[in-house]
Amino acid sequence: EAQVTQNPRYLITVTGKKLTVTCSQNMNHEYMSWYRQDPGLGLRQIYYSMNVEVTDKGDVPEGYKVSRKEKRNFPLILESPSPNQTSLYFCASGGGFPYEQYFGPGTRLTVT
Amino acid sequence: AQTVTQSQPEMSVQEAETVTLSCTYDTSESNYYLFWYKQPPSRQMILVIRQEAYKQQNATENRFSVNFQKAAKSFSLKISDSQLGDTAMYFCALTYGGSQGNLIFGKGTKLSVKP
Repeated sequence: EAQVTQNPRYLITVTGKKLTVTCSQNMNHEYMSWYRQDPGLGLRQIYYSMNVEVTDKGDVPEGYKVSRKEKRNFPLILESPSPNQTSLYFCASGGGFPYEQYFGPGTRLTVT
Repeated sequence: AQTVTQSQPEMSVQEAETVTLSCTYDTSESNYYLFWYKQPPSRQMILVIRQEAYKQQNATENRFSVNFQKAAKSFSLKISDSQLGDTAMYFCALTYGGSQGNLIFGKGTKLSVKP
């Protein structure tokens, strides 16, 4: 089954404790991205990757890191999480332009 | 700047009836694409339908169709024969040639289908 998977689905952590949210896709897509969804603000792009070893900032990259060492994986790293990073996070992947994007199930992150 | 506006925060419809969700957008780009995504209570984001700006014909996917009015920059979603499973948040989104795949989302419309 073609899908984007994310782990964990739920995470509660404390301020400053490094964490990684994994994302994997089995559709051989070149394009992958991370979004966060907040009430009243909709979805906003954090980072994206056009291909292996090619990443760039989206609209709200502060406080996040990513890496793309393999085509199928695109982890999101929070080196020192803060409460304002409490959000619902989505990973997405897409083929050629317009990168019709398919989303993972979401990760609910709470930082206390 | 590119923007997407959904002016209806909430809507409701009776089962089996038809409902139309509104979306307007603003872009100066000529090469762009529009999408509707559905987010049910499970929170999964599901692609419903897409429209290429260069195509005059409105896209259709089963019970879902769009009314794309390019000059008016309007992109509404029509759901026919509404079903209880259509209850969800619906997001309109835009991407364009220079956006590097960034989807610009509207704030969503919460649709409730009532039995």
